[in-house]
Amino acid sequence: DIQMTQSPSSLSASVGDRVTITCRASQTISNYLNWYQQKPGKAPKLLIFAASILQSGVPSRFSGSGSGTDFALTISSLQPEDFATYYCQQSYITPFTFGPGTKLDVK
Amino acid sequence: EVQLVQSGAEVRKPGESLKISCDTSGYSFSTYSIGWVRQMPGKGLEWMGIIYPGDSDTRYSPSFEGQVTISADTSITTAYLQWSSLKASDTAIYYCARHNGYNEIDYWGQGTLVTVSS
Repeated sequence: DIQMTQSPSSLSASVGDRVTITCRASQTISNYLNWYQQKPGKAPKLLIFAASILQSGVPSRFSGSGSGTDFALTISSLQPEDFATYYCQQSYITPFTFGPGTKLDVK
Repeated sequence: EVQLVQSGAEVRKPGESLKISCDTSGYSFSTYSIGWVRQMPGKGLEWMGIIYPGDSDTRYSPSFEGQVTISADTSITTAYLQWSSLKASDTAIYYCARHNGYNEIDYWGQGTLVTVSS
């Protein structure tokens, strides 16, 4: 299986901050990397797929980058509704493993 | 509008069987893979497996192979996840999830809480 790691595991930030979360795959996955946001008690929501393509309806302050094994999710200016847990997922080969998550909370 | 509506919360005893469902609408069921994701209490997301309803091709994560069965009924556009003998460690929320072109999950069900307790 491809192992996914994320850093940091948790992050405290303020509204307006620029935040970057990184994700690393244990082997190359081309650009088959997706990012999800999950709020407590809710199903996850797709933010970015294919490493850098913004899902329809997702605000442009979210962006993704990377290819191969190293990827990043950036939020350019944090909004109150962005405090949540973020997961990366590789969809290159089954099983489509998730990273362990990054919890973003208010500083 | 694409919708994935899951069956309600279940409480079972260890050793019992269970089948939960994911009723879909708003898209061509046979042409998108649909899978299941587990989230244990307070933990992260675990991808369990996937089925392509068009030909019933099914792939499981090694962690779940032999522990669960994923199936789909194209006549009623519904996917299923079933257990033959539940364990306490199966207590979790289970999400059904439509996979799109990059195998990204673009639509999620609302989740089904399964509680296994004696």
